[in-house]
Amino acid sequence: DAGVIQSPRHEVTEMGQEVTLRCKPISGHNSLFWYRQTMMRGLELLIYFNNNVPIDDSGMPEDRFSAKMPNASFSTLKIQPSEPRDSAVYFCASSSIAGAIHGYTFGSGTRLTVV
Amino acid sequence: KQEVTQIPAALSVPEGENLVLNCSFTDSAIYNLQWFRQDPGKGLTSLLLIQSSQREQTSGRLNASLDKSSGRSTLYIAASQPGDSATYLCAVFNAGNMLTFGGGTRLMVKP
Repeated sequence: DAGVIQSPRHEVTEMGQEVTLRCKPISGHNSLFWYRQTMMRGLELLIYFNNNVPIDDSGMPEDRFSAKMPNASFSTLKIQPSEPRDSAVYFCASSSIAGAIHGYTFGSGTRLTVV
Repeated sequence: KQEVTQIPAALSVPEGENLVLNCSFTDSAIYNLQWFRQDPGKGLTSLLLIQSSQREQTSGRLNASLDKSSGRSTLYIAASQPGDSATYLCAVFNAGNMLTFGGGTRLMVKP
């Protein structure tokens, strides 16, 4: 298995532009998680899905952020409009429903810079 | 709300030393605990996963222990090498299959 695949690896955009981050989880995994990592706040859970259904989005910072999972093999995290304070590394992770037994697998992340 | 703390935040040791990284959590009602390694500019690599019913897990030179009742875990690295230099993250599984992360310990092993 190729693991969790995220794209793009790097994204530089101007303030106010729309940004879409993509994630392909490991085949067969039922849960998908979006995390954001910054120097100041460390790793923060933004939202997670079980069986393509959003379960908890309380970590989504503002209405500018939205996430979708249209099927079991694809998820997007969208920021519209983007702001400089959104600059961070965004990670996607997946696990089986029994994630507590087998653990999470993380993607390589998308480094977002908003100028 | 679960809070996870890692001490120290940074550590620099000479090659060959044995070292201990600490992790504490406020809510002992966890399912499991996972240790990750993160190299600069890279993603997270899982090192060890300790089930809530287990006391420790070992992988090569790494040994992780878990004491749920006291809300603590330690990661022991034996005979450290420069290649061990990275940030080590502790994360606990809460209800709902969610991970809460500590702030990490940035380790530098000097040749």
